[in-house]
Amino acid sequence: QSVLTQPPSVSGAPGQRVTISCTGSSSNIGADYDVHWYQQVPGTTPKLLIFNDINRPSGVSDRFSGSKSGTSASLAITGLQAEDEADYYCHSFDSRLSAVVFGGGTKLTVL
Amino acid sequence: EVQLVESGGGLVKPGGSLRLSCVASGFTFSSYRMNWVRQAPGKGLEWVSSISTGSNYIYYADPVKGRFTVSRDNAENSLYLHMNSLRAEDTAVYYCVREATHSNWFDPWGQGTLVTVSS
Repeated sequence: QSVLTQPPSVSGAPGQRVTISCTGSSSNIGADYDVHWYQQVPGTTPKLLIFNDINRPSGVSDRFSGSKSGTSASLAITGLQAEDEADYYCHSFDSRLSAVVFGGGTKLTVL
Repeated sequence: EVQLVESGGGLVKPGGSLRLSCVASGFTFSSYRMNWVRQAPGKGLEWVSSISTGSNYIYYADPVKGRFTVSRDNAENSLYLHMNSLRAEDTAVYYCVREATHSNWFDPWGQGTLVTVSS
């Protein structure tokens, strides 16, 4: 069981918008620790997608956006493309565990 | 170009030991906290360990505490993970990752090295 909870899978048709949630608790996201998101295309290494809740590294499409509220964070992907099919992970810090924590990952399928 | 290259993975028997290495290039290695993150086959990401710039602050995930030891050599731009008493559940790809200086996001990630624990 991951400390950060993500849906195992989401799907959407090309051009649609999908969101991936990352639910934590008062000792991680709710304590205002930063949330980061990574994209892992099958067979490749994870790639930073969103850092510090809402920021995109240079080179990341503005179709990707992050948000955070209370004990949850979300990743939104607009204008879905076939190349977005990948696993997505959220990442934060937990003060009760004194440890880095990841979500269990969400597999995005583009229909 | 910022790059992290891991090595040292392989097949080891339960109870055995292995040392992973990660060589950094393209940035001032001594200025960054470094981490190891692993991914079991078909599973998600799991943080393993972190080490501060001067090796003063070292942390481990509970599953590896007492068995794994992280170290670094800033003169050699290298990060290490000494793994002892290996178990089947340690089988994973191990990634070397750089942590941001003013926050804690991970970027970049190395290509990973596969550790397989099996008799």
